[in-house]
Amino acid sequence: AQSVAQPEDQVNVAEGNPLTVKCTYSVSGNPYLFWYVQYPNRGLQFLLKYITGDNLVKGSYGFEAEFNKSQTSFHLKKPSALVSDSALYFCAVREPTSGGSYIPTFGRGTSLIVHP
Amino acid sequence: DAMVIQNPRYQVTQFGKPVTLSCSQTLNHNVMYWYQQKSSQAPKLLFHYYDKDFNNEADTPDNFQSRRPNTSFCFLDIRSPGLGDAAMYLCATSTEGQETQYFGPGTRLLVL
Repeated sequence: AQSVAQPEDQVNVAEGNPLTVKCTYSVSGNPYLFWYVQYPNRGLQFLLKYITGDNLVKGSYGFEAEFNKSQTSFHLKKPSALVSDSALYFCAVREPTSGGSYIPTFGRGTSLIVHP
Repeated sequence: DAMVIQNPRYQVTQFGKPVTLSCSQTLNHNVMYWYQQKSSQAPKLLFHYYDKDFNNEADTPDNFQSRRPNTSFCFLDIRSPGLGDAAMYLCATSTEGQETQYFGPGTRLLVL
Protein backbone atom coordinates (compact mmCIF):
# COMPACT_ATOMS: atom_id res chain seq x y z
CA ALA A 1 0.00 0.00 0.00
CA GLN A 2 1.16 3.52 -0.72
CA SER A 3 1.41 6.22 1.94
CA VAL A 4 2.87 9.67 2.36
CA ALA A 5 3.82 11.67 5.43
CA GLN A 6 4.19 15.41 5.88
CA PRO A 7 5.64 15.65 9.37
CA GLU A 8 5.08 19.39 9.83
CA ASP A 9 1.63 20.96 10.14
CA GLN A 10 3.14 24.40 9.72
CA VAL A 11 6.38 25.90 8.47
CA ASN A 12 7.29 29.49 9.24
CA VAL A 13 9.98 31.31 7.29
CA ALA A 14 11.02 34.92 6.79
CA GLU A 15 10.72 36.45 3.35
CA GLY A 16 13.94 36.08 1.42
CA ASN A 17 15.08 33.03 3.37
CA PRO A 18 15.19 29.53 1.90
CA LEU A 19 12.25 27.25 2.66
CA THR A 20 11.84 23.49 2.91
CA VAL A 21 8.61 21.56 3.21
CA LYS A 22 9.19 17.91 4.05
CA CYS A 23 7.62 14.82 2.56
CA THR A 24 8.41 11.13 2.97
CA TYR A 25 6.66 8.26 1.25
CA SER A 26 6.18 4.51 1.14
CA VAL A 27 5.32 2.56 -2.01
CA SER A 28 5.99 -0.75 -3.68
CA GLY A 29 8.30 -0.12 -6.59
CA ASN A 30 9.30 3.21 -8.05
CA PRO A 31 7.11 6.09 -6.92
CA TYR A 32 5.37 8.82 -8.82
CA LEU A 33 5.66 11.89 -6.57
CA PHE A 34 3.84 15.21 -6.74
CA TRP A 35 3.58 18.54 -5.00
CA TYR A 36 0.43 20.63 -5.14
CA VAL A 37 -0.30 24.06 -3.65
CA GLN A 38 -3.66 25.31 -2.43
CA TYR A 39 -4.46 28.95 -1.85
CA PRO A 40 -7.46 29.87 0.37
CA ASN A 41 -10.83 28.87 -1.10
CA ARG A 42 -9.23 27.48 -4.24
CA GLY A 43 -8.58 24.07 -5.71
CA LEU A 44 -5.22 22.35 -5.68
CA GLN A 45 -2.70 23.56 -8.23
CA PHE A 46 0.06 21.35 -9.62
CA LEU A 47 3.61 22.49 -8.79
CA LEU A 48 5.92 19.71 -9.90
CA LYS A 49 6.34 15.96 -10.16
CA TYR A 50 8.96 13.24 -10.21
CA ILE A 51 8.41 10.24 -12.42
CA THR A 52 11.88 9.22 -13.53
CA GLY A 53 15.20 10.77 -14.49
CA ASP A 54 16.96 13.62 -12.71
CA ASN A 55 16.49 13.53 -8.96
CA LEU A 56 16.19 17.31 -8.82
CA VAL A 57 12.90 18.47 -10.27
CA LYS A 58 12.14 22.08 -11.03
CA GLY A 59 8.58 23.35 -11.03
CA SER A 60 6.42 26.42 -11.06
CA TYR A 61 7.06 29.68 -9.18
CA GLY A 62 10.73 28.85 -8.51
CA PHE A 63 10.01 25.72 -6.49
CA GLU A 64 12.08 22.56 -6.76
CA ALA A 65 12.11 19.17 -5.09
CA GLU A 66 14.72 16.49 -4.69
CA PHE A 67 13.89 12.80 -4.93
CA ASN A 68 15.98 10.79 -2.48
CA LYS A 69 15.37 7.09 -2.90
CA SER A 70 17.49 5.95 0.04
CA GLN A 71 15.67 8.27 2.43
CA THR A 72 12.31 7.84 0.65
CA SER A 73 11.89 11.59 0.67
CA PHE A 74 10.72 14.26 -1.73
CA HIS A 75 11.20 17.58 0.06
CA LEU A 76 9.97 20.79 -1.55
CA LYS A 77 12.40 23.69 -1.58
CA LYS A 78 12.74 27.27 -2.70
CA PRO A 79 15.91 29.36 -2.39
CA SER A 80 14.16 32.62 -1.47
CA ALA A 81 10.64 32.67 -0.03
CA LEU A 82 8.02 35.25 -0.94
CA VAL A 83 5.06 36.34 1.17
CA SER A 84 2.86 35.24 -1.74
CA ASP A 85 4.14 31.66 -1.28
CA SER A 86 2.06 31.43 1.89
CA ALA A 87 -0.40 28.61 1.23
CA LEU A 88 -1.19 24.98 1.99
CA TYR A 89 1.14 22.47 0.35
CA PHE A 90 0.28 18.84 -0.35
CA CYS A 91 2.64 16.04 -1.23
CA ALA A 92 1.17 13.06 -3.09
CA VAL A 93 2.46 9.64 -4.11
CA ARG A 94 1.26 7.06 -6.56
CA GLU A 95 2.50 3.62 -7.48
CA PRO A 96 3.14 3.14 -11.17
CA THR A 97 0.48 0.99 -12.78
CA SER A 98 -0.23 -0.08 -16.30
CA GLY A 99 -3.89 0.58 -16.70
CA GLY A 100 -6.36 0.47 -13.84
CA SER A 101 -6.16 2.76 -10.84
CA TYR A 102 -4.54 6.15 -11.08
CA ILE A 103 -5.34 7.16 -7.55
CA PRO A 104 -2.70 9.10 -5.65
CA THR A 105 -2.48 9.28 -1.87
CA PHE A 106 -2.21 12.80 -0.45
CA GLY A 107 -0.36 13.89 2.64
CA ARG A 108 -2.24 15.83 5.30
CA GLY A 109 -0.79 19.12 4.09
CA THR A 110 1.69 21.66 5.45
CA SER A 111 0.75 25.27 5.96
CA LEU A 112 3.58 27.52 4.82
CA ILE A 113 3.63 30.98 6.35
CA VAL A 114 6.13 33.48 5.00
CA HIS A 115 6.60 36.51 7.21
CA PRO A 116 7.47 39.92 5.71
CA ASP B 1 -7.69 27.90 -21.97
CA ALA B 2 -8.42 24.28 -21.18
CA MET B 3 -9.67 23.94 -17.67
CA VAL B 4 -11.83 22.32 -15.00
CA ILE B 5 -14.90 24.34 -14.04
CA GLN B 6 -17.06 23.86 -10.99
CA ASN B 7 -20.45 25.39 -10.38
CA PRO B 8 -21.56 26.88 -8.18
CA ARG B 9 -18.54 28.13 -6.25
CA TYR B 10 -20.63 28.47 -3.11
CA GLN B 11 -23.74 26.49 -2.28
CA VAL B 12 -25.99 26.88 0.72
CA THR B 13 -28.55 24.18 1.39
CA GLN B 14 -30.82 23.15 4.20
CA PHE B 15 -30.41 20.05 6.29
CA GLY B 16 -31.89 17.14 4.34
CA LYS B 17 -32.50 19.09 1.12
CA PRO B 18 -30.91 17.42 -1.92
CA VAL B 19 -28.16 19.31 -3.66
CA THR B 20 -26.23 18.79 -6.89
CA LEU B 21 -22.74 20.07 -7.62
CA SER B 22 -21.43 20.15 -11.15
CA CYS B 23 -18.05 19.84 -12.80
CA SER B 24 -17.13 20.30 -16.42
CA GLN B 25 -13.82 20.01 -18.23
CA THR B 26 -12.43 21.10 -21.55
CA LEU B 27 -9.31 18.94 -21.22
CA ASN B 28 -10.93 15.83 -22.72
CA HIS B 29 -9.52 13.75 -19.87
CA ASN B 30 -10.97 10.29 -19.40
CA VAL B 31 -10.63 10.15 -15.61
CA MET B 32 -12.67 12.40 -13.32
CA TYR B 33 -12.57 12.48 -9.53
CA TRP B 34 -14.65 13.93 -6.71
CA TYR B 35 -12.94 14.83 -3.46
CA GLN B 36 -14.26 16.15 -0.16
CA GLN B 37 -11.98 18.46 1.78
CA LYS B 38 -12.62 19.72 5.31
CA SER B 39 -10.79 22.46 7.20
CA SER B 40 -7.43 22.47 5.38
CA GLN B 41 -7.18 18.69 5.62
CA ALA B 42 -6.05 16.38 2.85
CA PRO B 43 -8.63 15.88 0.11
CA LYS B 44 -10.62 12.68 0.66
CA LEU B 45 -11.52 10.77 -2.48
CA LEU B 46 -15.24 10.00 -2.74
CA PHE B 47 -15.30 8.31 -6.15
CA HIS B 48 -13.84 8.47 -9.61
CA TYR B 49 -14.75 7.60 -13.16
CA TYR B 50 -12.37 5.89 -15.52
CA ASP B 51 -14.17 6.64 -18.76
CA LYS B 52 -17.70 5.46 -17.93
CA ASP B 53 -16.60 3.01 -15.27
CA PHE B 54 -17.67 4.24 -11.85
CA ASN B 55 -15.43 3.50 -8.86
CA ASN B 56 -16.77 4.13 -5.39
CA GLU B 57 -14.43 4.39 -2.41
CA ALA B 58 -15.35 1.86 0.27
CA ASP B 59 -16.01 4.49 2.94
CA THR B 60 -18.03 6.92 0.81
CA PRO B 61 -21.48 7.26 2.40
CA ASP B 62 -24.50 6.08 0.41
CA ASN B 63 -25.80 9.63 0.72
CA PHE B 64 -23.32 10.61 -2.01
CA GLN B 65 -24.02 9.68 -5.61
CA SER B 66 -22.44 10.66 -8.90
CA ARG B 67 -23.32 10.83 -12.57
CA ARG B 68 -21.17 11.25 -15.62
CA PRO B 69 -23.42 11.69 -18.65
CA ASN B 70 -20.51 12.34 -21.03
CA THR B 71 -16.75 12.89 -21.04
CA SER B 72 -17.03 16.58 -20.22
CA PHE B 73 -19.47 16.61 -17.31
CA CYS B 74 -19.66 15.01 -13.91
CA PHE B 75 -22.17 15.63 -11.11
CA LEU B 76 -22.10 15.04 -7.39
CA ASP B 77 -25.50 14.49 -5.79
CA ILE B 78 -25.93 14.65 -2.05
CA ARG B 79 -29.33 13.13 -1.37
CA SER B 80 -29.87 14.28 2.21
CA PRO B 81 -27.13 16.63 3.35
CA GLY B 82 -26.23 16.61 7.00
CA LEU B 83 -24.28 19.19 8.96
CA GLY B 84 -21.22 16.97 8.66
CA ASP B 85 -21.31 17.24 4.88
CA ALA B 86 -20.38 20.90 4.97
CA ALA B 87 -17.03 21.01 3.19
CA MET B 88 -15.18 22.03 0.06
CA TYR B 89 -15.88 19.66 -2.82
CA LEU B 90 -13.14 19.38 -5.41
CA CYS B 91 -13.40 17.95 -8.89
CA ALA B 92 -10.25 16.81 -10.66
CA THR B 93 -9.32 15.20 -13.96
CA SER B 94 -6.43 13.22 -15.34
CA THR B 95 -5.71 11.04 -18.34
CA GLU B 96 -4.05 7.74 -19.00
CA GLY B 97 -0.34 8.27 -19.48
CA GLN B 98 -0.42 11.67 -17.79
CA GLU B 99 0.00 11.46 -14.09
CA THR B 100 -0.88 14.99 -13.06
CA GLN B 101 -4.34 15.78 -11.69
CA TYR B 102 -6.00 19.02 -12.71
CA PHE B 103 -8.31 20.47 -10.10
CA GLY B 104 -11.25 22.79 -10.38
CA PRO B 105 -11.61 25.75 -8.00
CA GLY B 106 -13.99 23.81 -5.75
CA THR B 107 -17.51 24.29 -4.46
CA ARG B 108 -17.89 25.26 -0.82
CA LEU B 109 -21.03 23.69 0.60
CA LEU B 110 -22.74 25.09 3.67
CA VAL B 111 -25.54 23.12 5.32
CA LEU B 112 -27.93 25.04 7.55
